[in-house]
Amino acid sequence: SQTIHQWPATLVQPVGSPLSLECTVEGTSNPNLYWYRQAAGRGLQLLFYSVGIGQISSEVPQNLSASRPQDRQFILSSKKLLLSDSGFYLCAWAFRGPTYNSPLHFGNGTRLTVT
Amino acid sequence: AQKITQTQPGMFVQEKEAVTLDCTYDTSDQSYGLFWYKQPSSGEMIFLIYQGSYDEQNATEGRYSLNFQKARKSANLVISASQLGDSAMYFCAMRELGTGNQFYFGTGTSLTVIP
Repeated sequence: SQTIHQWPATLVQPVGSPLSLECTVEGTSNPNLYWYRQAAGRGLQLLFYSVGIGQISSEVPQNLSASRPQDRQFILSSKKLLLSDSGFYLCAWAFRGPTYNSPLHFGNGTRLTVT
Repeated sequence: AQKITQTQPGMFVQEKEAVTLDCTYDTSDQSYGLFWYKQPSSGEMIFLIYQGSYDEQNATEGRYSLNFQKARKSANLVISASQLGDSAMYFCAMRELGTGNQFYFGTGTSLTVIP
């Protein structure tokens, strides 16, 4: 069966510091990978998704970036965090399209507080 | 236009009663899937139930069922015999064959089960 690991679970970082969140998937090959952000009490905002190694689609221009150095590894980064980067970050995977009947599977999330 | 609309920001239900959470969708694709997720206060996103556009019967998973009305483009989640542990945010989502790598989420409904 497939599993997704995301770490760390919580993170407190000062403004201007760098960020690296990592996500790995096991038990499947060539997955689509996604990074979402969720502000407190709000819905999901898609930040990035990837359909393959080195292929990143950015949905929201900001000071965050994503990379996919290996097939089942997805990294979210920032060189200098802003207060507005605080939130709950969720990594997810899905079987690659074209398909419509397989769901997104989420990691447990990272709660980031920028102080 | 919004792809997924959830018009109930918050809902209350008495324990052991049934509750319906509304979801309407917008698509011109003939092939699509509809998904419901539960997000408890701990933050993880739990996949609950799936309905395909060609499925003639409503999907059911334990106490969860999906009231699928294709002509009205609605996919309401019905939770029977509510339990205190059902208190959470619930998100409706859609995946289309034509844009198979994209998932569209609603803004969510916060459900509170009252003892």
